[in-house]
Amino acid sequence: RKEVEQDPGPFNVPEGATVAFNCTYSNSASQSFFWYRQDCRKEPKLLMSVYSSGNEDGRFTAQLNRASQYISLLIRDSKLSDSATYLCVVLPLLGGYNKLIFGAGTRLAVHP
Amino acid sequence: GAVVSQHPSRVICKSGTSVKIECRSLDFQATTMFWYRQFPKQSLMLMATSNEGSKATYEQGVEKDKFLINHASLTLSTLTVTSAHPEDSSFYICSARDRQTGTSNYGYTFGSGTRLTVV
Repeated sequence: RKEVEQDPGPFNVPEGATVAFNCTYSNSASQSFFWYRQDCRKEPKLLMSVYSSGNEDGRFTAQLNRASQYISLLIRDSKLSDSATYLCVVLPLLGGYNKLIFGAGTRLAVHP
Repeated sequence: GAVVSQHPSRVICKSGTSVKIECRSLDFQATTMFWYRQFPKQSLMLMATSNEGSKATYEQGVEKDKFLINHASLTLSTLTVTSAHPEDSSFYICSARDRQTGTSNYGYTFGSGTRLTVV
C-alpha cells in the first residue's frame, strides 16, 4: 500500500466550478500535512498546510480527518490558472530528520 | 523568502557519462538536503537525505555508488549520476531544509529541478 494515495484524475472542470480532491495516508503517526501545487515540468510549490480544525486561504479550503487518515482540498470558483497537479504531502515523525512523503498528485484542468 | 538555486535546469548526456547537479541555498543555511526523482505522471520519490558534513542516507533501492551525493557545506549539495543510462532519465529535484524551521511548511524549499535525458 502506498504511503499517500490520491485519485490521479484528471479532473476537467469549467471555470467557476467547485472541485474537491481527496487523499489518504497510511501512517497514523504522521504529524503534518500539506497541499502542494506542481505545474508541468516545474518544482512543487506549497499551496497550504492542513490543520485538524480545517483552514481556508481564499478560494482554497483544506481539511484533515486524523481518525480516517483522510485529507481534502476544496477549490471554489475555479480559475484557468488553477490548472496544475495537486500533491498531497505528509510529514511523518521520523527519528532525527523528517522527510516529506508525496502522493502521486491529482491533475486539474480548468477550461473556459 | 528562502531560495534554492538548482543547476542545470536541463541536461542531455550520452549513455555512460556522468552528470553533476548542484543545489545552492542562496540566503539560508541548509542543514539537510533531500534529493528526489520524479518520473512522468508519478510522485516525487525520495532518493537520499544528506546532512552537512556527513554521509548521505539512501532510500531502499537507490544505488549509492551510482548516485553520489556531496553536502560539503551548509549552502551547497551536489548529486552526481555516474555512468548514466537511459533509464536514469528523469526529473531530479532537491529540497533544502532551513535551520530555522519556523516557517509554515517546516522550512522545506525546493530547487527548480533538473530534467535529465540520457541518450
